[in-house]
Amino acid sequence: DAKTTQPPSMDCAEGRAANLPCNHSTISGNEYVYWYRQIHSQGPQYIIHGLKNNETNEMASLIITEDRKSSTLILPHATLRDTAVYYCARRGLDMRFGAGTRLTVKP
Amino acid sequence: DTGVSQDPRHKITKRGQNVTFRCDPISEHNRLYWYRQTLGQGPEFLTYFQNEAQLEKSRLLSDRFSAERPKGSFSTLEIQRTEQGDSAMYLCASSFRTGIQETQYFGPGTRLLVL
Repeated sequence: DAKTTQPPSMDCAEGRAANLPCNHSTISGNEYVYWYRQIHSQGPQYIIHGLKNNETNEMASLIITEDRKSSTLILPHATLRDTAVYYCARRGLDMRFGAGTRLTVKP
Repeated sequence: DTGVSQDPRHKITKRGQNVTFRCDPISEHNRLYWYRQTLGQGPEFLTYFQNEAQLEKSRLLSDRFSAERPKGSFSTLEIQRTEQGDSAMYLCASSFRTGIQETQYFGPGTRLLVL
C-alpha cells in the first residue's frame, strides 16, 4: 500500500530496544493500525494493534501519534530471534500492508 | 495445532494449467481472507468471506481467480489458466469479528511457481 510507508531495513543490537516507524498520514478515523512480522517464508505473525491510544502486550508496545499519522512499534529488549520483516498495516474494510522493514538484530 | 492451515505448501505448475489451494481457518472463526504476496512486498488483499458469503471480490486480480467457502468452514482459491505473473505466495487468514474488534491470524501460505 503506497499510503503506508516504512523504512526498508534497520539494525538493532541484541538486548537493546528496537523502534520501528511507520507513516500512515492518510489514515481514516476508523482505521486501526496493525503490526505483523514475518520470519523466512512463514505466514505473518500478529504482534499488536491500536486505534488511538498507546498499547502494550507481552511482545511489544505500540505508540500512535496524537494526529494518528504515524506509529512506532517498540520491541523493548530485542533478541536474535526477533530478526524478521515487520509490517505495518491499516485496517478499515480490508487490511492494507506496507512494504515492511527488515529488522536485523545483531549480537 | 489449532492455527490456520493451508494446503499445499508449495505448488509448481506449467503455464496454462489450473491450480486450487485450500485453507482451513481457526475453528469458529467467521471470517476468512485471501491475500497474495510477491517478493519484497507486503500481503495484498484479494477477497474475504463472512461465513459462506463472499463479501468482497472486486480486488481479485482477474476473472481467472475465484474463491469459494461453501459451508462456511474451509475455503478454496482457484486460479485458471495460470500465467508466470501468478507466481507468488498465497496467504489465508481467519478472524472472529465482534463489533469492530478483529484480528486476523495467518496461515503458512502456499507458494506457487508457474513455469
